[in-house]
Amino acid sequence: AQSVTQLDSQVPVFEEAPVELRCNYSSSVSVYLFWYVQYPNQGLQLLLKYLSGSTLVESINGFEAEFNKSQTSFHLRKPSVHISDTAEYFCAVSATTSGTYKYIFGTGTRLKVLA
Amino acid sequence: SAVISQKPSRDICQRGTSLTIQCQVDSQVTMMFWYRQQPGQSLTLIATANQGSEATYESGFVIDKFPISRPNLTFSTLTVSNMSPEDSSIYLCSVEDLGRANYGYTFGSGTRLTVV
Repeated sequence: AQSVTQLDSQVPVFEEAPVELRCNYSSSVSVYLFWYVQYPNQGLQLLLKYLSGSTLVESINGFEAEFNKSQTSFHLRKPSVHISDTAEYFCAVSATTSGTYKYIFGTGTRLKVLA
Repeated sequence: SAVISQKPSRDICQRGTSLTIQCQVDSQVTMMFWYRQQPGQSLTLIATANQGSEATYESGFVIDKFPISRPNLTFSTLTVSNMSPEDSSIYLCSVEDLGRANYGYTFGSGTRLTVV
């Protein structure tokens, strides 16, 4: 069975500082990996994803994540955060078992950017 | 990507009553998904709704409590029946974007339910 672990429930960081949100997964089959962002009182938005190819993926707002198969990780990073990045971030795994895709979410990491 | 309209956006309901949440997609999709996000927690899949067949429920969720309709390829409803305060959550519908460039799941903006 697949699982996703986000070790940090909350990450406070000062504005313009770098940040890394950790995500580890377990799966016996090939996976697709995703990061979603949920701003306060809003729905989930896809931030970036890894399907295949280059292990480093980027979003349009400066976030990037690297798929590391040996460490089964997909950590999210940003070199310089803004106040507007304050949100909940969810890592998700999609894997197929018996022909059915399952989409599993981590428990989320609340990023709070401080002025 | 698909665009999802979900309503109501929020509601406060009395215990013992039922609430039906609607989800409208701007394109035809085979599967629609219903999730629950309890306060301070992650998303949990309630069920998968295919058009023309009964919904498939995940462990811990039953049709009597969360009946789902899927009358066509663009619409679905989730009913939260005989509500109790423990049902207070955000409920989200989702569809899968299968286009290679867009692959991922698109979510509605959610229904914030408070049961009093």
